[in-house]
Amino acid sequence: GESVGLHLPTLSVQEGDNSIINCAYSNSASDYFIWYKQESGKGPQFIIDIRSNMDKRQGQRVTVLLNKTVKHLSLQIAATQPGDSAVYFCAENAGGGADGLTFGKGTHLIIQP
Amino acid sequence: GAGVSQSPRYKVAKRGQDVALRCDPISGHVSLFWYQQALGQGPEFLTYFQNEAQLDKSGLPSDRFFAERPEGSVSTLKIQRTQQEDSAVYLCASSLTDRGATEAFFGQGTRLTVV
Repeated sequence: GESVGLHLPTLSVQEGDNSIINCAYSNSASDYFIWYKQESGKGPQFIIDIRSNMDKRQGQRVTVLLNKTVKHLSLQIAATQPGDSAVYFCAENAGGGADGLTFGKGTHLIIQP
Repeated sequence: GAGVSQSPRYKVAKRGQDVALRCDPISGHVSLFWYQQALGQGPEFLTYFQNEAQLDKSGLPSDRFFAERPEGSVSTLKIQRTQQEDSAVYLCASSLTDRGATEAFFGQGTRLTVV
């Protein structure tokens, strides 16, 4: 079936460097995408979202890029900090009034001092 | 409250026991979602409420799972005759609007362990 997936399960970067987390999706009907951060023992925390009529959106230290042609989503985190260490999930809403989100399996981002 | 609140935080149940998990959404939020998160996996959709109406229960894994939101605020997820495969973190989320394609705020979850 169609699903949201991530390319890498673990990503290790040096503190202060930029990080990029990638996500592939296969449901061409998806029209809303969202990135969540989940720390150990906590619920997912909203980072940034993007709708399918956009290809880029920026927040504080984060940028989400959407390439609908190749069905690819990425999260860029600038100047990573120790507090950025967490599991990052991309999720999609299939559109057409679909309820809920379909999550990928997650990427564990490790920030090394 | 300031955020979505779930209780209990941890629940250990003996196989065959019934459990009830509570979710207090953010005040005024129309939409409420339940997700199940297995260890090392992303959350999986269980069910969706718009106010008190359960509009989607397609993700509930069996008829042992039942959810309600009688007054359009607090919701309870009930699992009857728990099995070991029910062990997971159960997450509740709420959002302001009545659409699924919008930012949802998650609670900290209830970790259920069935022994």
